[in-house]
Amino acid sequence: EDQVTQSPEALRLQEGESSSLNCSYTVSGLRGLFWYRQDPGKGPEFLFTLYSAGEEKEKERLKATLTKKESFLHITAPKPEDSATYLCAGSNDYKLSFGAGTTVTVRA
Amino acid sequence: KAGVTQTPRYLIKTRGQQVTLSCSPISGHRSVSWYQQTPGQGLQFLFEYFSETQRNKGNFPGRFSGRQFSNSRSEMNVSTLELGDSALYLCASSKGQGRFNEQFFGPGTRLTVL
Repeated sequence: EDQVTQSPEALRLQEGESSSLNCSYTVSGLRGLFWYRQDPGKGPEFLFTLYSAGEEKEKERLKATLTKKESFLHITAPKPEDSATYLCAGSNDYKLSFGAGTTVTVRA
Repeated sequence: KAGVTQTPRYLIKTRGQQVTLSCSPISGHRSVSWYQQTPGQGLQFLFEYFSETQRNKGNFPGRFSGRQFSNSRSEMNVSTLELGDSALYLCASSKGQGRFNEQFFGPGTRLTVL
């Protein structure tokens, strides 16, 4: 069965304290690995899609990387507005499977 | 450009009733996917419609169904509601098929089953 596991479940950071979120996946026939951000009371918001091992994408303080078994979301010098739940998802020909998410809290 | 809209935003039903949720995608988007989000199970894929055809279905009982209209608007229906159906139901639209492309999510419909 396709599975996407995210760790840690929660992460509390001081403003400026860089860290990484992990997404391990076992998705047969992976077509893409997605990262979304979800704020409380809202739907997820698209961040990145990664298609092949070794690929990296950046957006402001966020950088996503992909290996054959994992993806990492690095947050560099986070700010309080980066507080959110970050979701990763693996897609194949049949569906998009989401992980449970990592809730990041950045304190000023 | 207007985002994805979902109606109603909140709904309270009792066990055994049925419910219909509506989703209007971003103009020009042909794919609508539906997801169920709960604290215990996270975001789970229900089904995807593309050009009025159901392309894929997640692991949910037949009580969950949906359809898409020619203007790409979509509805999902849950019959014979159970307490466990209480959840946030999200729809997402995309230009191409949702599992391969960036999806834009609506704010969700919060369903409470009593």
